[in-house]
Amino acid sequence: QVQLVQSGAEMKKPGSSVKVSCKASGGAFSRYIYSWVRQAPGQGLEWMGRITPIFAAPNYAQKFQGRVTILADESTSTVYMELSSLRSEDTAVYYCARGDLFDYWGQGTLVTVSS
Amino acid sequence: DIQMTQSPSSLSASVGDRVTITCQASQDIRKYLSWYQQKLGKAPKLLIFDASNLDTGVPSRFSGSGSGTDFTFTISSLQPEDFATYYCLQYDNFPRTFGQGTKVEI
Repeated sequence: QVQLVQSGAEMKKPGSSVKVSCKASGGAFSRYIYSWVRQAPGQGLEWMGRITPIFAAPNYAQKFQGRVTILADESTSTVYMELSSLRSEDTAVYYCARGDLFDYWGQGTLVTVSS
Repeated sequence: DIQMTQSPSSLSASVGDRVTITCQASQDIRKYLSWYQQKLGKAPKLLIFDASNLDTGVPSRFSGSGSGTDFTFTISSLQPEDFATYYCLQYDNFPRTFGQGTKVEI
């Protein structure tokens, strides 16, 4: 049974960085695509980028280029998303999702950016 | 970026009603569109992929159609557990882009 378990909620100051983890179990970790999608309070879904661990090279949405880093640790079956230069507009629930079809999702991680 | 225009943004319906949601892409995305259901405080759930294929375990009252730029999602007979927000997603091009969502309310 595939499961994606994300790290816990974070409170951050503007200008700082946050790193969210997503640990996968129940599948062949390295062969799948893992995406990060965020959802601001009361808003829709926004794709940030993705990685396939076996290839390592991530693909980022232009909007987040230079601020987001997605990486994968095959030894722990964990994908990470780091977002830097945080601002209040980055307050959102951040989800990891597996595959090109996003057929499995993590439970979400609330990141709150506030001074 | 491909813009996904989803409509309506919300609708009110009753149990047993037929519900239809549309998604229009700003350019040809062939068949590469999926539909998701999201309940309050939960992660989205995949319902349909490749425009018309039901994911495993998804009830047959859900269906999808379309190709190119125009797509339709239908719930043939709305059930109490179907009250949620629905999103389309195009996965033909990068960046992946979602529709704005349709909230289905009682």
